[in-house]
Amino acid sequence: SADLTQPPSVSVSPGQTATIACSGDDLGDTYALWYQQKPGQSPVLVIYQDTERPAGIPERFSGAMSGNTATLTIRGAQPMDEADYFCQAWIRGIAVFGPGTKVTVL
Amino acid sequence: QVRLQESGPGLVKPSETLSLICTVSGGSITKYYWSWIRQPLGRGLEWIGYISYTGTTEYNPSLGGRVNISVDTSMSQLSLTLTSATAADTAIYFCAREDHPIPAPTRGFDYWGPGILVTVSS
Repeated sequence: SADLTQPPSVSVSPGQTATIACSGDDLGDTYALWYQQKPGQSPVLVIYQDTERPAGIPERFSGAMSGNTATLTIRGAQPMDEADYFCQAWIRGIAVFGPGTKVTVL
Repeated sequence: QVRLQESGPGLVKPSETLSLICTVSGGSITKYYWSWIRQPLGRGLEWIGYISYTGTTEYNPSLGGRVNISVDTSMSQLSLTLTSATAADTAIYFCAREDHPIPAPTRGFDYWGPGILVTVSS
């Protein structure tokens, strides 16, 4: 299956660490990417090639890959990090997105 | 600064063709991959397809061959057509640039348009 799975929601207190997992049977054979989307806005790329941060993305965002599971970690979460987060991978030539995880900071 | 802007009808009748344009400004349309991605309101992202700077296209098979993406480099525009539209095609449609310097791995969809809501309804 080319599906990617994510938890529907994650809650974190301000200043604490949020972790979002993304799993898929084929994920270990490719790179994972992560996007942040706030209400009414377009997605923003926050991680590519499993662990790389684009210019302008704060260092509190980090990515990792182990086996068939990619992980996005937000260390020292801030209220501005409250958003939906989608993982994405290219699987057999198709861009596949995870269902998204709503991160609540409170 | 690279900017993408989607345009087109916000309302399409069932069984008709959905047609959108994405205009790229502030950067070259060549040497990148250009995708259309859609999002039903309140739901997740679905990749529709891409066109590469060489004109190569790839489409999501889930759309059953109803999709065509083309590019007009002279106008810095890419277009999307989706035939036989149904209510299930109602969504916000985004165009997005992918930085993928072959043979290096992709660097992801790094620029997105603001999106355009298309409703399929009679």
